[in-house]
Amino acid sequence: NAGVMQNPRHLVRRRGQEARLRCSPMKGHSHVYWYRQLPEEGLKFMVYLQKENIIDESGMPKERFSAEFPKEGPSILRIQQVVRGDSAAYFCASSTTTSGGSLYNEQFFGPGTRLTVL
Amino acid sequence: AQSVSQHNHHVILSEAASLELGCNYSYGGTVNLFWYVQYPGQHLQLLLKYFSGDPLVKGIKGFEAEFIKSKFSFNLRKPSVQWSDTAEYFCAARTGTASKLTFGTGTRLQVTL
Repeated sequence: NAGVMQNPRHLVRRRGQEARLRCSPMKGHSHVYWYRQLPEEGLKFMVYLQKENIIDESGMPKERFSAEFPKEGPSILRIQQVVRGDSAAYFCASSTTTSGGSLYNEQFFGPGTRLTVL
Repeated sequence: AQSVSQHNHHVILSEAASLELGCNYSYGGTVNLFWYVQYPGQHLQLLLKYFSGDPLVKGIKGFEAEFIKSKFSFNLRKPSVQWSDTAEYFCAARTGTASKLTFGTGTRLQVTL
């Protein structure tokens, strides 16, 4: 049973280009979370999605960042017009159902995508 | 806003030494607490979690953590570390009805032979 897959593992972009990060959740998981880890910092929550719905985007920067989780295919985190400050490791996690409320379903993490903006 | 603090950024221990990594959280309500480990080149893995009940939680690979509500702490311990425990350790919290996890900045543990 494959774990959470992320690709690419490493991505290099020049300032102003677009970055697309993909996350394929574990089989049977319909909930996806994106976290960002800046150098020397912990992981920070960005967005939580179910299939075709954004549930919580309280951690997403207001501009240039967007996320989707279509009915078919992986979840995509898209960063437009990247800047050097976007350089970070981006982690995706998935769970079977919601991890909220009194019910906790473990979030399984992918290996991350390391984005470098030149 | 809730936050999680890990005050040890880099810890170096010899094999067989005892380990204690500090974790404090700031939130007054119901909180669920976690320790994750990230071995070099690998993804985050859950070591252990606390939801309720016995405040002493045992996890995988001989790790345990103690929830002390009065101190808002959830320190990670292991009686005798091995070289293979070299990794980065993250404390995380989930509060209220939220699904998202709030992470500390991580502690890099280096175990020497």
